[in-house]
Amino acid sequence: NAGVTQTPKFRILKIGQSMTLQCTQDMNHNYMYWYRQDPGMGLKLIYYSVGAGITDKGEVPNGYNVSRSTTEDFPLRLELAAPSQTSVYFCASSYSGATNEKLFFGSGTQLSVL
Amino acid sequence: AQKITQTQPGMFVQEKEAVTLDCTYDTSDQSYGLFWYKQPSSGEMIFLIYQGSYDEQNATEGRYSLNFQKARKSANLVISASQLGDSAMYFCAMRERDTGFQKLVFGTGTRLLVSP
Repeated sequence: NAGVTQTPKFRILKIGQSMTLQCTQDMNHNYMYWYRQDPGMGLKLIYYSVGAGITDKGEVPNGYNVSRSTTEDFPLRLELAAPSQTSVYFCASSYSGATNEKLFFGSGTQLSVL
Repeated sequence: AQKITQTQPGMFVQEKEAVTLDCTYDTSDQSYGLFWYKQPSSGEMIFLIYQGSYDEQNATEGRYSLNFQKARKSANLVISASQLGDSAMYFCAMRERDTGFQKLVFGTGTRLLVSP
């Protein structure tokens, strides 16, 4: 099983450029999430989705957009990249939002904005 | 206020010894869940163990156990018989009913180094 797949693994952007981080899962999970991890810090929630067509903001949504047209895919769009968006981005999924539901994570995307 | 506090930036342990990684949390909710994830140098996040706020027994998963002290709001991870492969970052995380179960909040992590 592939689980949660993120592409690309690494990317360097110039200030002001845009890009889309791709995320797909093959576990038929309803919930999907985007987190960012800054150096030496824990993960912070950017956006999440509880099903196709439904998305909501997390703790740090500014500068990002998401869409969820299918159960499998949850792309993250960066518009007008800024150095503050240099981070490692993780996509995750879970079957439900139950208290004990663990998240399955992708392998991450290392993004540098120069 | 920090929801999850991990006060140990780094810990060292010798192979085969036990180690405790500290985690305290802040919530006024009665219904919440606590998680520990491992992040090896390769970068992926690996689920280790879960403890629910209503669980009366401490959670155990193989060599991992969670020392859950509800009154003190602590959920320390105990790794028994450490192995070299346990060297990694360890993150404590929490879900609360009141802020939405979708939102898993992470601490800043503890880097564990296991020496031979």
